[in-house]
Amino acid sequence: KQEVTQIPAALSVPEGENLVLNCSFTDSAIYNLQWFRQDPGKGLTSLLLIQSSQREQTSGRLNASLDKSSGRSTLYIAASQPGDSATYLCALNNNDMRFGAGTRLTVKP
Amino acid sequence: DGGITQSPKYLFRKEGQNVTLSCEQNLNHDAMYWYRQDPGQGLRLIYYSQIVNDFQKGDIAEGYSVSREKKESFPLTVTSAQKNPTAFYLCASSTVGGGETQYFGPGTRLLVL
Repeated sequence: KQEVTQIPAALSVPEGENLVLNCSFTDSAIYNLQWFRQDPGKGLTSLLLIQSSQREQTSGRLNASLDKSSGRSTLYIAASQPGDSATYLCALNNNDMRFGAGTRLTVKP
Repeated sequence: DGGITQSPKYLFRKEGQNVTLSCEQNLNHDAMYWYRQDPGQGLRLIYYSQIVNDFQKGDIAEGYSVSREKKESFPLTVTSAQKNPTAFYLCASSTVGGGETQYFGPGTRLLVL
């Protein structure tokens, strides 16, 4: 059974910092990996999706990488802003989706 | 606007009562899903359906029931057998295939009185 771990559970940074969120998984037989953003009391918004054959995806200030051999993915956020404050979840898709518990990010002005 | 809607936003359940959470999508997706989210935990799959009139149990189906009479609708009933129903419930939908991305609704928070 796929196990997904996200470290750290919470992170607080000053505005403008670059930061990395980590996601590790136990089963590399996946279709894709997806990073989501969740604001308090809201649903999930998809940020980036990396197919199994890809190494990374970029969207604006966000860059996600995938290393299946080591069972790791990172989400890099450049020049963080207070509006980036949210919980970030990674999910592995292999016919069913397995979610990590998320990293709660706070960007202080 | 295309998307997934869930209602109500908040729901209160009395002990011994069954309550039903609504999920509707107009994305023409064949597959629909129900997840439960508890604080500090990832989403856990309750039930899913890949076609009308068919659905499958997920990891934590006990105490829950679903129906899929229409492609657009996938209501979830939290029965009195679910002893710890307080949680945030998320509905999602997707096309059917290998590794299709899921689109999520805004969620329903269920609280027990």
